[in-house]
Amino acid sequence: GQQLNQSPQSMFIQEGEDVSMNCTSSSIFNTWLWYKQDPGEGPVLLIALYKAGELTSNGRLTAQFGITRKDSFLNISASIPSDVGIYFCAEPNSTRGTSYGKLTFGQGTILTVHP
Amino acid sequence: DSGVTQTPKHLITATGQRVTLRCSPRSGDLSVYWYQQSLDQGLQFLIQYYNGEERAKGNILERFSAQQFPDLHSELNLSSLELGDSALYFCASSVVKGETDTQYFGPGTRLTVL
Repeated sequence: GQQLNQSPQSMFIQEGEDVSMNCTSSSIFNTWLWYKQDPGEGPVLLIALYKAGELTSNGRLTAQFGITRKDSFLNISASIPSDVGIYFCAEPNSTRGTSYGKLTFGQGTILTVHP
Repeated sequence: DSGVTQTPKHLITATGQRVTLRCSPRSGDLSVYWYQQSLDQGLQFLIQYYNGEERAKGNILERFSAQQFPDLHSELNLSSLELGDSALYFCASSVVKGETDTQYFGPGTRLTVL
């Protein structure tokens, strides 16, 4: 099946620093999703990307859909303590034009922000 | 608050037992998804139901089963529990079933098998 390789596995940063994480796949994707999971909660969708080259922002978060359609990047600018959590890339599987909603997730990036 | 509710929040049981996890989707959502999150396997899709019918299956063990009822709530049944079944189980819902639908996740049920 499809595999998403997400890096880094964890990051320890100071408040105010910028953060960058990425996800790669061996397959071409039509959609890239970025989720955040706060401690004790379920994942929440941050950004959805639908076109190669697309660059989308959500506040201090910016994500890009790689031109090769095999990778995506998430950047967080000027981090704050509430950015702490696990960030996941995800892809909704689709096969031969049939839409499925099931998501395949990357391994996650654990972000710790020191005040 | 995503609008998806899951009960119970925590469940502690013994090996060999059977448990039922319950999920109520957001109002109006027809699709329900179940995911398992564990340290070694990460977040993995188990099964999807759409308007009462099974739509897609992932890495779901034969000891596990699910169903979606006419009121659209869903239950995940886990039987003959093993230590390795200890994990967080999430339910998510979306309006329809396609790849562009946003999935809203519930807060999860933490299952501990002793």
